[in-house]
Amino acid sequence: ETGVTQSPTHLIKTRGQQVTLRCSSQSGHNTVSWYQQALGQGPQFIFQYYREEENGRGNFPPRFSGLQFPNYSSELNVNALELDDSALYLCASSLGRTQYFGPGTRLLVL
Amino acid sequence: DAKTTQPTSMDCAEGRAANLPCNHSTISGNEYVYWYRQIHSQGPQYIIHGLKNNETNEMASLIITEDRKSSTLILPHATLRDTAVYYCIVIYNFNKFYFGSGTKLNVKP
Repeated sequence: ETGVTQSPTHLIKTRGQQVTLRCSSQSGHNTVSWYQQALGQGPQFIFQYYREEENGRGNFPPRFSGLQFPNYSSELNVNALELDDSALYLCASSLGRTQYFGPGTRLLVL
Repeated sequence: DAKTTQPTSMDCAEGRAANLPCNHSTISGNEYVYWYRQIHSQGPQYIIHGLKNNETNEMASLIITEDRKSSTLILPHATLRDTAVYYCIVIYNFNKFYFGSGTKLNVKP
């Protein structure tokens, strides 16, 4: 059974650019959640997708958007990157309540 | 928005039990307590969860007080590989995990 995978592992962008991060959920899981983790802090909930529909959102601006595809994989898009967007972005998949996390994508905005 | 309180850091000797406390005094009747850990900024790893009863699996035991206002995660025989940040989470909503700052557990030889 394949776990949650994320791509790319690392990414460097400049302020104002746009970025797309990808997540493949664990087999059979229909829900994907995204988190942002700044250095030294706990993960912060961005949003969740359930069967291709947004199913909850944290306190993040609209320039953070997402998609979930029919195979339940997901994308996180961030427009107009800011320096404070530099963080580890985590994806978690679930079928019930328990979430299983991927290794994360580390984004650096210069 | 974190609804849990954990000590910032704890030390434990290798081979001894590590007991990590968590306070969740405002927990409601249908909220679960979850524990995750994160090693070296890898993705958080699920450890265990519970509602009312104590739980045990191959990784750890979870002890929840009768009033459900606090819990303790027990690693029975800590190893150096258990050094990590441990997060106690109360599920506020079915679809939102709120992580606090966690407890940095240092397992020492």
